[in-house]
Amino acid sequence: GAVVSQHPSWVICKSGTSVKIECRSLDFQATTMFWYRQFPKQSLMLMATSNEGSKATYEQGVEKDKFLINHASLTLSTLTVTSAHPEDSSFYICSAKLAGDGTQYFGPGTRLLVL
Amino acid sequence: DAKTTQPTSMDCAEGRAANLPCNHSTISGNEYVYWYRQIHSQGPQYIIHGLKNNETNEMASLIITEDRKSSTLILPHATLRDTAVYYCIVDLNADSWGKLQFGAGTQVVVTP
Repeated sequence: GAVVSQHPSWVICKSGTSVKIECRSLDFQATTMFWYRQFPKQSLMLMATSNEGSKATYEQGVEKDKFLINHASLTLSTLTVTSAHPEDSSFYICSAKLAGDGTQYFGPGTRLLVL
Repeated sequence: DAKTTQPTSMDCAEGRAANLPCNHSTISGNEYVYWYRQIHSQGPQYIIHGLKNNETNEMASLIITEDRKSSTLILPHATLRDTAVYYCIVDLNADSWGKLQFGAGTQVVVTP
C-alpha cells in the first residue's frame, strides 16, 4: 500500500519549452502533496505544498509563475515547469501525505534535463 | 522547529546490524522522529517513525531515548541493498505539519 507514481520518469527538452510532471497516489487519497527538487549531491529541497482544490503554497525563493502546481483531485497533482532553462535541470520528486497519518510517501522522481 | 544531527557516513558489514544515530536535542513534545532512506537516483523510502516509544516494523527498529533528544535506527541484518542515504527528520509543529525538511543524512555503505 501507499504507492506514489510519477510520470514521466525522465524528460529531455529544449530551453524555453514547458514540461509537465504528474504525481499520482495509486492506492490512497492524498489531500496534501508536496514537490521537492534535488540537485546532484545535495539533499531534497521542498518547493511547494499542494492541497487538493486550493492554491499551492510555495517555499521562499521558488517562483510560483515558473513552477505551476495543480492539485485537481485527491490522487493527482501536476507540476509544470514553464519556459524551462538549463538551470532548471534537476531531479523532481513528489510526495503524498496519507490522510489520518502524518507519513509522507514519495514518488520515484522525474529527472529533467533542459538543453 | 527541531533540527537533527547525523554522522556524514557509516560503513557496515553485510549481515551485521547497522545502528544509525541521530541527535535532535531541541525536539518538542508533539514532534515525531521520522526515518527515510534514499537509494541512488530514486525517491526517498519511508522506513519508520515514532514519538516516544520504541517502534519496530519489517524494515527496522527505532529506539528513542527517554528524554527524546536522540534516537537510533537499527537495521537488524544489513544487506547490500541497504546501501543508501538515511535521513532522520523531525516533524515540524502543527502549523506546518508535514513539511519535511531534509538534512544531509548519513551515507551508509554496506560491504560484503
